[in-house]
Amino acid sequence: DQQVKQNSPSLSVQEGRISILNCDYTNSMFDYFLWYKKYPAEGPTFLISISSIKDKNEDGRFTVFLNKSAKHLSLHIVPSQPGDSAVYFCAASAGTQGGSEKLVFGKGTKLTVNP
Amino acid sequence: NAGVMQNPRHLVRRRGQEARLRCSPMKGHSHVYWYRQLPEEGLKFMVYLQKENIIDESGMPKERFSAEFPKEGPSILRIQQVVRGDSAAYFCASSPSRGHQPQHFGDGTRLSIL
Repeated sequence: DQQVKQNSPSLSVQEGRISILNCDYTNSMFDYFLWYKKYPAEGPTFLISISSIKDKNEDGRFTVFLNKSAKHLSLHIVPSQPGDSAVYFCAASAGTQGGSEKLVFGKGTKLTVNP
Repeated sequence: NAGVMQNPRHLVRRRGQEARLRCSPMKGHSHVYWYRQLPEEGLKFMVYLQKENIIDESGMPKERFSAEFPKEGPSILRIQQVVRGDSAAYFCASSPSRGHQPQHFGDGTRLSIL
């Protein structure tokens, strides 16, 4: 049973345009959500996170939106750059709800930004 | 380098041998997590440790796998009597405390079983 789902295996956008990556979750105990970026042969790099008490968090070109009622979050990258091409993982944890600090990951979305 | 350090980066073992993977957390971090990634899959949680304590091992296979994080030295993930299905990338992450803190990852150990 996959608790975190990224339904788009891949996404291709033009440089300078917006990239929108989506993530759905099923566990209502999740209260902390994160996005990671991963290049081949490297570990995931933390990008941005959001707590369930917020619906938006912004950091430079990256914004994460959380819709708790829909159990959906999205990552917006504006403007997209060729260096953003990587696999993006959505992750969630239920740590402060009495659960473990463990992260539950989606399967990832491969973003390609074309020059 | 103040990041999470994992070694070796690549490890080749024959079936039946033991594999030891090491992880040194970021400076000031006392919480360590191990994850495994199979090809075309996301990362799967294995175990969460603090110094000298296993906090959550719900993702660890019941046999052959063990983990420790001693008072001194790196965290060790140990796989005994390896099988072909153990071939994967094993990632370690660390965080400074519990709660809403991002986990920071090392570059992983690629384990190949011949």
